[in-house]
Amino acid sequence: GQQLNQSPQSMFIQEGEDVSMNCTSSSIFNTWLWYKQDPGEGPVLLIALYKAGELTSNGRLTAQFGITRKDSFLNISASIPSDVGIYFCAGQREASGSRLTFGEGTQLTVNP
Amino acid sequence: EAQVTQNPRYLITVTGKKLTVTCSQNMNHEYMSWYRQDPGLGLRQIYYSMNVEVTDKGDVPEGYKVSRKEKRNFPLILESPSPNQTSLYFCASSWGRGWKLFFGSGTQLSVL
Repeated sequence: GQQLNQSPQSMFIQEGEDVSMNCTSSSIFNTWLWYKQDPGEGPVLLIALYKAGELTSNGRLTAQFGITRKDSFLNISASIPSDVGIYFCAGQREASGSRLTFGEGTQLTVNP
Repeated sequence: EAQVTQNPRYLITVTGKKLTVTCSQNMNHEYMSWYRQDPGLGLRQIYYSMNVEVTDKGDVPEGYKVSRKEKRNFPLILESPSPNQTSLYFCASSWGRGWKLFFGSGTQLSVL
């Protein structure tokens, strides 16, 4: 079953606001990834994190690998309408080899 | 253009009628995988393949089959579809160990 808890499930924000979402687990992960799914498309990789405490940016997006290795965070600054979509976290555990576990997703709506 | 191509994009079928969803990638990726996406459940892995002739079960393999006879192709087969297999399906591929995934555009399957 699901091993990643992603929150919030949905967000409705105004253009220009900052956004924060997170992913937590009771298990330790070696790798965290964040994907975005535009409406009607497949997910696209945004950021990959490989070390505890790592902070990585991709434009207005910043993601962090939690120090406990059991969580990760994604922030979007100054949101714009094209940020709309579903954001998924994904993690790779030592015991799972090549397999990724995905969170349930955060549906983001940005009002102009 | 580097891409993962799935066909068909939409499919409506009836219970028990065998179907195949094709997936092809042109990036020479070793790793390929199938996921299903259901509301509130995120992406769940069905099957994956580390290389030609090597396939393994993911989290929800029941009712599905796959084959990897060539590196570029990874078809998903439903021998006897049932309504609970109504879902949005994604094929994905990656270099190496399968973490930085490239996704297809999805196949929306409805089983009546």
